[in-house]
Amino acid sequence: AQKITQTQPGMFVQEKEAVTLDCTYDTSDPSYGLFWYKQPSSGEMIFLIYQGSYDQQNATEGRYSLNFQKARKSANLVISASQLGDSAMYFCAMREPLNTGNQFYFGTGTSLTVIP
Amino acid sequence: GAGVSQTPSNKVTEKGKYVELRCDPISGHTALYWYRQSLGQGPEFLIYFQGTGAADDSGLPNDRFFAVRPEGSVSTLKIQRTERGDSAVYLCASRLGPYNEQFFGPGTRLTVL
Repeated sequence: AQKITQTQPGMFVQEKEAVTLDCTYDTSDPSYGLFWYKQPSSGEMIFLIYQGSYDQQNATEGRYSLNFQKARKSANLVISASQLGDSAMYFCAMREPLNTGNQFYFGTGTSLTVIP
Repeated sequence: GAGVSQTPSNKVTEKGKYVELRCDPISGHTALYWYRQSLGQGPEFLIYFQGTGAADDSGLPNDRFFAVRPEGSVSTLKIQRTERGDSAVYLCASRLGPYNEQFFGPGTRLTVL
């Protein structure tokens, strides 16, 4: 089974609007971390936001927030007030167990296009 | 800058040749990862170093792939007898501690003709 599933190959959003990128995960370990990365056309992976499985509150970093629904095993990324520079590939990733797991599992990504 | 660097940025080689890809992690980061990213896919784990030792090499696809990190800093990914299917972007990442995120380098685009 896939560890990370991103079901939206491509998304469009109007500039200044909010957009949600979906991510579901599969693990039986109680300790795990969820990460979102942005990959512009230049190719470099840029860390955006992190959520630990034991964190009580949803993570936020500026315009990025993570809608963490543990029972549903989802970790959706919400980008508020979209900007043209947000156009990129977005990858959801998981590390399990959080403190000793060696591997990060990545999804297949979502391509976001921000329309002026 | 003080980020992860990778050289070369692009490498074109012929089928059957040997290639080396280099990664220079962020200073002080003990954990180092290699990933392979094929077109339209997310990064796929290859190998993880903690210090000088390969703590997990379960992602290496076969024995043509090998990586070293002799002094616990710079790492080299070595691919013998390259095949066309090895064409991909090879990403390196480093991490400070067990609870920290990874920081990625810009990648090396390998093309095997």
